[in-house]
Amino acid sequence: DTEVTQTPKHLVMGMTNKKSLKCEQHMGHRAMYWYKQKAKKPPELMFVYSYEKLSINESVPSRFSPECPNSSLLNLHLHALQPEDSALYLCASSQDTQYFGPGTRLTVL
Amino acid sequence: AQKITQTQPGMFVQEKEAVTLDCTYDTSDPSYGLFWYKQPSSGEMIFLIYQGSYDQQNATEGRYSLNFQKARKSANLVISASQLGDSAMYFCAMREVFNAGNNRKLIWGLGTSLAVNP
Repeated sequence: DTEVTQTPKHLVMGMTNKKSLKCEQHMGHRAMYWYKQKAKKPPELMFVYSYEKLSINESVPSRFSPECPNSSLLNLHLHALQPEDSALYLCASSQDTQYFGPGTRLTVL
Repeated sequence: AQKITQTQPGMFVQEKEAVTLDCTYDTSDPSYGLFWYKQPSSGEMIFLIYQGSYDQQNATEGRYSLNFQKARKSANLVISASQLGDSAMYFCAMREVFNAGNNRKLIWGLGTSLAVNP
């Protein structure tokens, strides 16, 4: 089973809203990732968690706040986003190969 | 520095024919891993195939095979017997050499958009 799930599938939010993206995997992977992807571009890495600890932050603005409550769950808290933050947000997990979830399409109005 | 190059922004193939998507890479490390992912319009990034630098044989997974030419630093994806459902964006990626907390990043190519014609 190589399934990574993400909710919600679509999200529309205003610039003053607070929302969260959720990601879950039950493959026993110890690394989890958040990516941002604009249309027709490769994914851009945002954060990496290793053994539930943040190991990589790719200089992401503080309006994005990751959280790893346990080894299976990864959240991305969103606050005061800008319209340019509209994108597809992908979660992945890995032991070696990265497996991705279906993504959340975020629109910021 | 490590780099992945995909020179074909878009490709067309007739259904049931084979197609090759190009990927060249640059690294000075003798140990590396190469990946191909498929991304349909739905958005999900689907892992297709992996080739390790020390693997003796070219990787194959069903209709997907990797034409790995180490001396040329190329890792082309071959899709045999194309199907309409193969229409998607295809990304080649290389695992970063530097090991940051044992979770090496992926270096991505710009992708190739494949359209399968009926």
